[in-house]
Amino acid sequence: AQSVTQLGSHVSVSEGALVLLRCNYSSSVPPYLFWYVQYPNQGLQLLLKYTSAATLVKGINGFEAEFKKSETSFHLTKPSAHMSDAAEYFCAVSSSGGSYIPTFGRGTSLIVHP
Amino acid sequence: NAGVTQTPKFRVLKTGQSMTLLCAQDMNHEYMYWYRQDPGMGLRLIHYSVGEGTTAKGEVPDGYNVSRLKKQNFLLGLESAAPSQTSVYFCASSGQGAGNQPQHFGDGTRLSIL
Repeated sequence: AQSVTQLGSHVSVSEGALVLLRCNYSSSVPPYLFWYVQYPNQGLQLLLKYTSAATLVKGINGFEAEFKKSETSFHLTKPSAHMSDAAEYFCAVSSSGGSYIPTFGRGTSLIVHP
Repeated sequence: NAGVTQTPKFRVLKTGQSMTLLCAQDMNHEYMYWYRQDPGMGLRLIHYSVGEGTTAKGEVPDGYNVSRLKKQNFLLGLESAAPSQTSVYFCASSGQGAGNQPQHFGDGTRLSIL
């Protein structure tokens, strides 16, 4: 079985501040991990993915995430928030040995204040 | 490059009516998925398909049927719409890769059942 927990349904930051969105996963086999972003009235877009290569993964728009097996975490960060980063962010887990169908977290809404 | 296209974008139904949502992808992907998105619930998988002519139930399949007669198309049907099916529906596709392939999403169909 696999699952994803995103801590905090809403995260609020000031423009220029560090963005940290938390994701913890559970998987009985080595996982594949993904972060997606959803802007209003749009579908989800891939930000970045971890597929067992480098543990620090760089994505689009300056985001990156670090896979930490010991903590079963895959937190998403960005050094300096922009107003355009305001969106809903989803973490997802899948695997090759278990269910290849991804399981999504409930999402975290990022609010950026000027 | 169209990617994943969902038709229609908006629809209002009366309780008991039926309708079909169409999803088309032009990336030659094997896997296709239907999700519903409700506030605070994240994405919940309704049905999915791992290839032409195959379908399988997801997390919340009741009240929905699907068909994958052509590789590029995945249809979601509501036989007798209920107010509980008011939601935003997303279609997604992914390439064959045992879990390490990201999903590509359409922009959603906003469905209201009165």
